[in-house]
Amino acid sequence: AQTVTQSQPEMSVQEAETVTLSCTYDTSENNYYLFWYKQPPSRQMILVIRQEAYKQQNATENRFSVNFQKAAKSFSLKISDSQLGDTAMYFCAFMSMDSNYQLIWGAGTKLIIKP
Amino acid sequence: DAGITQSPRHKVTETGTPVTLRCHQTENHRYMYWYRQDPGHGLRLIHYSYGVKDTDKGEVSDGYSVSRSKTEDFLLTLESATSSQTSVYFCAISGGSPGHAKNIQYFGAGTRLSVL
Repeated sequence: AQTVTQSQPEMSVQEAETVTLSCTYDTSENNYYLFWYKQPPSRQMILVIRQEAYKQQNATENRFSVNFQKAAKSFSLKISDSQLGDTAMYFCAFMSMDSNYQLIWGAGTKLIIKP
Repeated sequence: DAGITQSPRHKVTETGTPVTLRCHQTENHRYMYWYRQDPGHGLRLIHYSYGVKDTDKGEVSDGYSVSRSKTEDFLLTLESATSSQTSVYFCAISGGSPGHAKNIQYFGAGTRLSVL
């Protein structure tokens, strides 16, 4: 069974700094998807970024980028020029290509951006 | 906006009473999911549906049942609520409709359920 581990329960950085959130996963599959979701205090789950395992190029979305290391089964999220609005819980999630699009979730990292 | 609505948004109930949560979508997505979110656990899948009248169990299905009689509605029922079912419940949809990628799950706003 696949598992997703986020080893940092909580992190805090100053506004405008760069922060990296860690995620590791365990799977025997070769093709899959990885996601980062953000959950601000409003409780809404918001997709931040996704990565297809067959793509070697790391995904980027504006200030958000990932470092996808397939052999190491690592999928970290980098937030550049952090903003107060980035304060949220961040969840890493894994999706097998043969799973009816089910997601396996990490426990989350609480990120606090300090002014 | 993936057109997904959960109701109610908040509910307080007593142990032993039945509770039904509703998830309604307007985008004709094939797949629908119910999760619960508890501190330290992230999201855990309760049940999911891959079509009308087609459902399957997730990781934490004990004490829950679901029904999907039409594409747009997915109901989660707690037959006899217990305090351990106090949680935040999320509905999600995926499977692709025009303008939406198949492998992305879109979430409702959540329902906070308290069982006293």
